[in-house]
Amino acid sequence: DAKTTQPNSMESNEEEPVHLPCNHSTISGTDYIHWYRQLPSQGPEYVIHGLTSNVNNRMASLAIAEDRKSSTLILHRATLRDAAVYYCILYTGGGNKLTFGTGTQLKVEL
Amino acid sequence: NAGVTQTPKFQVLKTGQSMTLQCAQDMNHNSMYWYRQDPGMGLRLIYYSASEGTTDKGEVPNGYNVSRLNKREFSLRLESAAPSQTSVYFCASTQRGGRSSYEQYFGPGTRLTVT
Repeated sequence: DAKTTQPNSMESNEEEPVHLPCNHSTISGTDYIHWYRQLPSQGPEYVIHGLTSNVNNRMASLAIAEDRKSSTLILHRATLRDAAVYYCILYTGGGNKLTFGTGTQLKVEL
Repeated sequence: NAGVTQTPKFQVLKTGQSMTLQCAQDMNHNSMYWYRQDPGMGLRLIYYSASEGTTDKGEVPNGYNVSRLNKREFSLRLESAAPSQTSVYFCASTQRGGRSSYEQYFGPGTRLTVT
């Protein structure tokens, strides 16, 4: 399975935008890029996914590099409730299995 | 909709005891999954069921069995619990299998300690 690389942790101030990077240099042409987040003591929560084009939803935006070897999750205005571990995952089909790495711990400060 | 529910929320077992973790979803999803999460780690797939009547091994299946009882329910059984199985267990479901890309919905987790 293709792997992803994320920073272990990032910090942000409340109300500021946050850009969470993910590298996936071995991505195949049909792999979707998924982002999930996990709030403390909860199960993971779907955030967004995309294939080639940038995507927006009510939670976040996903910017995908033209060569698809990297992507960035954008939280437009971080709040304290956005403090979580964010996972970048390549969705390789075959039963819709997700392979989680260790993710990025996002800390949001006042 | 309750989404994905798991029982129990917490459990303490002694080494060698058995138990079944229950999972149910009310979203009419075809595929269901069991993951475990050890402290400071990401989730690892134990077993999954792409559709009713099928189950397949994931990354860490040893020591576990599963049953897809019907479309709604997917249970995980520990036949002889070991301390290495101390973990948080998450159940998830998604709309369908194959290469279609759909989000997974996760339950709140079961925190299991084996002494």
